[in-house]
Amino acid sequence: GIQVEQSPPDLILQEGANSTLRCNFSDSVNNLQWFHQNPWGQLINLFYIPSGTKQNGRLSATTVATERYSLLYISSSQTTDSGVYFCAVERKAAGNKLTFGGGTRVLVKP
Amino acid sequence: DARVTQTPRDKVTEMGQEVTMRCQPILGHNTVFWYRQTMMQGLELLAYFRNRAPLDDSGMPKDRFSAEMPDATLATLKIQPSEPRDSAVYFCASGLYAYEQFFGPGTRLTVL
Repeated sequence: GIQVEQSPPDLILQEGANSTLRCNFSDSVNNLQWFHQNPWGQLINLFYIPSGTKQNGRLSATTVATERYSLLYISSSQTTDSGVYFCAVERKAAGNKLTFGGGTRVLVKP
Repeated sequence: DARVTQTPRDKVTEMGQEVTMRCQPILGHNTVFWYRQTMMQGLELLAYFRNRAPLDDSGMPKDRFSAEMPDATLATLKIQPSEPRDSAVYFCASGLYAYEQFFGPGTRLTVL
């Protein structure tokens, strides 16, 4: 199956700092999504981004499908950004199965 | 606003008991997924349906797990008999064909 690796596994930020999270995947994909799992366990959709660049407020994401990676940028981090960020991909010709990476655990300190 | 709902939110049961989890997908979505999250395995797909028909259940233990969609507004995941190793958070997600998936709040299952 497809391998999805996220880095770094853990990230501690001071409030106001910027950061970049990375997702590498081992095969061609139809679909790539970024999620934020908040401290209550809810999986919140951040981006549906199989290719290109998108921005939503302080967050933006870029996927370079030909090079098999995606980046999530957090700017001016806030304590509410704390949680686990997951990248999930759907391999081409694999049906609609999302394979999740191991996540990046982010802690933003006030 | 439209969202996926799941019941119950928490379930504590004893080994050997039957457990049924329910999911209401977002109205208009034709694809429903069941995922399980554990510390050891992370998030993994158990099964999914398109237009109520099962498309893939290869991630699901066949001997004790079953998933159904009695109608377009209800998906169920049943475990019979439950075992302690089934303790996990079970998520339902829905989407329109092969596009973005939206997740419900999850059911936290504890099997004693």
